[in-house]
Amino acid sequence: SQTIHQWPATLVQPVGSPLSLECTVEGTSNPNLYWYRQAAGRGLQLLFYSVGIGQISSEVPQNLSASRPQDRQFILSSKKLLLSDSGFYLCAWSVRDRGDNSPLHFGNGTRLTVT
Amino acid sequence: KNQVEQSPQSLIILEGKNCTLQCNYTVSPFSNLRWYKQDTGRGPVSLTIMTFSENTKSNGRYTATLDADTKQSSLHITASQLSDSASYICVVSAGLTDSWGKLQFGAGTQVVVTP
Repeated sequence: SQTIHQWPATLVQPVGSPLSLECTVEGTSNPNLYWYRQAAGRGLQLLFYSVGIGQISSEVPQNLSASRPQDRQFILSSKKLLLSDSGFYLCAWSVRDRGDNSPLHFGNGTRLTVT
Repeated sequence: KNQVEQSPQSLIILEGKNCTLQCNYTVSPFSNLRWYKQDTGRGPVSLTIMTFSENTKSNGRYTATLDADTKQSSLHITASQLSDSASYICVVSAGLTDSWGKLQFGAGTQVVVTP
């Protein structure tokens, strides 16, 4: 069966420090991978989307970046965190080429607090 | 303006009772509508996915309905259990060729089931 691992579960970082959140998927190949941010009382916001190794799409301007060094590994990074980066970060995957009806499978998230 | 609106924001129900959550959307063109359950501090888990031609879909004690003409959906929880306490998120997928930004998330309805 497929599983998705996301770590760390919680993280407290000072403003200006770097960030690295990691996500790995097991039991599937060539997944679509996603990074979302969830703010309290608001819907999930898509940050990055990847259809393959080295292929990253981003629409929301921010000081975050993402990389996909391996097929089932997705990393969210920042060189210098801002207070506004605090939030709940979720990694997700879906089956590629299953069309619109492929469900998203989420990890258990990372609660990031920037102090 | 959010293209997916959920109501109520929160509700409290007694264990064993039924409840219904509402989702109205303006996303167009429409591809499918999903309901997710998110336990506190965890990632969302898919409950149902409905396409344009489906009016209802069940998953155990959860039953989702869809009226694509009025752009409304509901999630009905039957005989609620304490484990149903969670946030329920409505997600609408736009029928776009580019996968980026297709999914529009509601802010969720927080359900609390009390003994």
